[in-house]
Amino acid sequence: DGGITQSPKYLFRKEGQNVTLSCEQNLNHDAMYWYRQDPGQGLRLIYYSQIVNDFQKGDIAEGYSVSREKKESFPLTVTSAQKNPTAFYLCASSGGESAEAFFGQGTRLTVV
Amino acid sequence: AQSVAQPEDQVNVAEGNPLTVKCTYSVSGNPYLFWYVQYPNRGLQFLLKYITGDNLVKGSYGFEAEFNKSQTSFHLKKPSALVSDSALYFCAVRDMSNTPLVFGKGTRLSVIA
Repeated sequence: DGGITQSPKYLFRKEGQNVTLSCEQNLNHDAMYWYRQDPGQGLRLIYYSQIVNDFQKGDIAEGYSVSREKKESFPLTVTSAQKNPTAFYLCASSGGESAEAFFGQGTRLTVV
Repeated sequence: AQSVAQPEDQVNVAEGNPLTVKCTYSVSGNPYLFWYVQYPNRGLQFLLKYITGDNLVKGSYGFEAEFNKSQTSFHLKKPSALVSDSALYFCAVRDMSNTPLVFGKGTRLSVIA
């Protein structure tokens, strides 16, 4: 069953904590992306990676970090420097013959 | 820089009537254009895309979209709306393969029985 898996589906973070969101794909895609979704603001790009061991900042990278050690995996860490982390986070991948991106089911992060 | 505008936050339509969700874009070079749908607390599902060729693109669930280069538009259409079409719709653009998609802010479609 091919696709993108995000975990966990729901995540709660205390003030000052770092948390890591998981994103795994078995589509053999080279490119992977992290977007943040807030009500009424659409999707905003946090980080993206077009190849293993390389990644670039998106429009709202401050307070986030990523790694791309394996083609299949692109975890996102929300650090304590991110002042307003409560949001819905979406991971996507693209590659091969398809121009479109394929999305995971998302992780809803809430600060408590 | 690439950008997408979805001028309507909300579109209401009666079941059985045709629907249109509007999208305009700005990109240097030839655009790759996409429509996605999102149901509550779910990821985005791909509906259709325009890369090249026929300006009228047909996609999933009876949706279609028309690429208009002179008006830089890519409106989503369906001849007969269903209540189950009620969802959040996103238009997206990229200028070459594997660069990140740029999304509009989304349009909430409500189909009323």
